[in-house]
Amino acid sequence: DQQVKQNSPSLSVQEGRISILNCDYTNSMFDYFLWYKKYPAEGPTFLISISSIKDKNEDGRFTVFLNKSAKHLSLHIVPSQPGDSAVYFCAASRGGGYQKVTFGIGTKLQVIP
Amino acid sequence: EAQVTQNPRYLITVTGKKLTVTCSQNMNHEYMSWYRQDPGLGLRQIYYSMNVEVTDKGDVPEGYKVSRKEKRNFPLILESPSPNQTSLYFCASSLGGASYGYTFGSGTRLTVV
Repeated sequence: DQQVKQNSPSLSVQEGRISILNCDYTNSMFDYFLWYKKYPAEGPTFLISISSIKDKNEDGRFTVFLNKSAKHLSLHIVPSQPGDSAVYFCAASRGGGYQKVTFGIGTKLQVIP
Repeated sequence: EAQVTQNPRYLITVTGKKLTVTCSQNMNHEYMSWYRQDPGLGLRQIYYSMNVEVTDKGDVPEGYKVSRKEKRNFPLILESPSPNQTSLYFCASSLGGASYGYTFGSGTRLTVV
């Protein structure tokens, strides 16, 4: 049972345009949602997170939106740059000291110069 | 430089031969975790630790052991490796736990023949 789903295995975007990566979850107990970026031959890097009490969190070019009623979150990258080309993982946890983290399978983003 | 160091980076071993993958962090983080990454399955949590001598199972703990005798080290032990444990393994640490985001090591690619 996949509790965190990233249904798009890949996405191509022109440099300078917006990249939108989507993530759906099924477990209503999740309280925290995180995005990680992963380059080949490296470990994932934490990008941005959002708690369930918010619907938006912004950090520079990266914004995460959370729609709790739809159990959906998205990561927006504006403007997209070639260096953003990587695999993006959505992750979720319950918070409150609960340390299990569930990851999606990832979306490969390609930003075309 | 703040980092999580895993060793070895690559390992080929035979079925049944006990092995240990070491993990060390220099950030004084309390939380540490092990993940495996497999094609089509994303990152799955094996074990996590909330402090010295405090460990718990993630989603795929079967066939693995961990120990946390010191804050900085969190080795992953495979007592009797099998081919289905061939995978890319990541160690990670966090100051505040799952909801704060993890810092990942560069990974260990393990092949069991």
